[in-house]
Amino acid sequence: ETGVTQSPTHLIKTRGQQVTLRCSSQSGHNTVSWYQQALGQGPQFIFQYYREEENGRGNFPPRFSGLQFPNYSSELNVNALELDDSALYLCASSPGGTSGTYEQYFGPGTRLTVT
Amino acid sequence: AQSVTQLGSHVSVSEGALVLLRCNYSSSVPPYLFWYVQYPNQGLQLLLKYTSAATLVKGINGFEAEFKKSETSFHLTKPSAHMSDAAEYFCAVSVKTGANNLFFGTGTRLTVIP
Repeated sequence: ETGVTQSPTHLIKTRGQQVTLRCSSQSGHNTVSWYQQALGQGPQFIFQYYREEENGRGNFPPRFSGLQFPNYSSELNVNALELDDSALYLCASSPGGTSGTYEQYFGPGTRLTVT
Repeated sequence: AQSVTQLGSHVSVSEGALVLLRCNYSSSVPPYLFWYVQYPNQGLQLLLKYTSAATLVKGINGFEAEFKKSETSFHLTKPSAHMSDAAEYFCAVSVKTGANNLFFGTGTRLTVIP
């Protein structure tokens, strides 16, 4: 069974640019969540996708957007990058819906640096 | 609203000593509670979870946690620390309705002294 994978591993962008991060969910999982983890902080919820629809969003501006595809993989897009967007971006998948009972399985993350 | 407070951003223990990492939660509805571990430059690995069954939860690598509703706590313990336990530990809370997103604490860095 393949776990959650993310690409790329590291990324360096310039302020004002746009970036796309990718996530492949664990086999059999239809729910994907994205989190931002700033240095020295706990992860913060960005949004969640369930069966290709956004199913909840944290306190992030609209320039953070996402997609989920029919195979349940997902993308996180960030427009107009700011220096404070520098962080580890974590993707997590879970096996079933939105009941809250299912633990989330995390990928290794993408380290984004904005200069 | 849900939130988690982890007391102590850094904890140091000697190898073989008891590990105790503290977590208090706030939730307006019955919570689900989780402990995750993060090794350097890696993602998060689930240690254990509480989902309203037994209040004493056993996890991987010898860790366990006890849900105490009266104290709104979910402290993580391990009887005997091992060098490989050195990592960052996060407590998180989720709820039973809506998106099952996790609210994380700020983490506790555990150092194990040989």
